[in-house]
Amino acid sequence: GAVVSQHPSWVICKSGTSVKIECRSLDFQATTMFWYRQFPKQSLMLMATSNEGSKATYEQGVEKDKFLINHASLTLSTLTVTSAHPEDSSFYICSGRQAGGTEAFFGQGTRLTVV
Amino acid sequence: GDSVTQMEGPVTLSEEAFLTINCTYTATGYPSLFWYVQYPGEGLQLLLKATKADDKGSNKGFEATYRKETTSFHLEKGSVQVSDSAVYFCALKTGGFKTIFGAGTRLFVKA
Repeated sequence: GAVVSQHPSWVICKSGTSVKIECRSLDFQATTMFWYRQFPKQSLMLMATSNEGSKATYEQGVEKDKFLINHASLTLSTLTVTSAHPEDSSFYICSGRQAGGTEAFFGQGTRLTVV
Repeated sequence: GDSVTQMEGPVTLSEEAFLTINCTYTATGYPSLFWYVQYPGEGLQLLLKATKADDKGSNKGFEATYRKETTSFHLEKGSVQVSDSAVYFCALKTGGFKTIFGAGTRLFVKA
């Protein structure tokens, strides 16, 4: 199957700082990227959907000014958590889908800890 | 709205036991159904899928059949191994390609 690489796999940052998470499709062009968040022992919750070259569509309750999503190319999308707080600590996972495809492929996930 | 309900865990089994993890869904239209597996510290991996009624998805000894009449997609394996210990997520995808996940079921397999 297609490969999505997410980096970093884990990060620790101080409160008030910003953290960028990268999601790359290695062997396909991801026209659509999805960003999910997973709290401990809970399911994945979709945060936003982004199409290459367009602004991301955020799910209800997700602050777009706090979770900045950029999808400037067909192989790279980034999620920036701005002014991070301890409650932002979570596991963030991206997935990518190519045009006309029916399946989305997931990255390995990034564990963010804000101290 | 669309939703997925799966049995709560954790499920603890001995090696070589039979596994069933129940999953039911609510959806408008004709969704595709999936099972994903998440090993400790890793992201999600697609385990199997079915795209229409009566389809059976299978992989690594796991099976699930898309039952439209009971809106179910139960995951089964005849003989589990310690290496199957993970969290299993049932999911559906609608025509808009948004994937909706169940809460996940944690499986522990004892040697």
